[in-house]
Amino acid sequence: AQTVTQSQPEMSVQEAETVTLSCTYDTSESDYYLFWYKQPPSRQMILVIRQEAYKQQNATENRFSVNFQKAAKSFSLKISDSQLGDAAMYFCAYRSPGGTASKLTFGTGTRLQVTL
Amino acid sequence: KAGVTQTPRYLIKTRGQQVTLSCSPISGHRSVSWYQQTPGQGLQFLFEYFSETQRNKGNFPGRFSGRQFSNSRSEMNVSTLELGDSALYLCASMLAGGREQFFGPGTRLTVL
Repeated sequence: AQTVTQSQPEMSVQEAETVTLSCTYDTSESDYYLFWYKQPPSRQMILVIRQEAYKQQNATENRFSVNFQKAAKSFSLKISDSQLGDAAMYFCAYRSPGGTASKLTFGTGTRLQVTL
Repeated sequence: KAGVTQTPRYLIKTRGQQVTLSCSPISGHRSVSWYQQTPGQGLQFLFEYFSETQRNKGNFPGRFSGRQFSNSRSEMNVSTLELGDSALYLCASMLAGGREQFFGPGTRLTVL
């Protein structure tokens, strides 16, 4: 079974600064998907970024980018130019490939605080 | 395109009762998954339905069940509610063969 570990329960960053959230995972599969989801106080889970394991290039979405290290099974999220609206819980998630394996395995989350 | 909708948004029940939660996926999405979120256990996968068939199931007791209709709408039922069933229940939909799941706003269930 796959496991996802987020070792930082809470992080704080000043507005306009950069912060990196860590995530490690354990799997015996060679192909899979990794995601970062954001959950603001409204509790709606919002997809931030996706990475396919077969792609060597790190995914980027505007101010959000990942550092995907497949051999180390590490998948960190970097938020640049942090904004107050980035304050939320961030969850790292793993999904096996294939149309019949949609189950997401989540980490325990990192609460990100953004200060002025 | 409308997002995933869940009803009701809030629900209060007492122990021993049963409850039904509803989820309407994004138009065209045939896969619907359910997750339970609690402070103690985090986010846990309940089950997934695809084309009216349960395709995957998590490690939850038989009191938790679900179904999916021909229009892809899904319902989740919990019978004989226990205090520990108090949680946020999240529904997510996905295109057939898709990569990511899109979540609804959740149903907050409180069991007294």
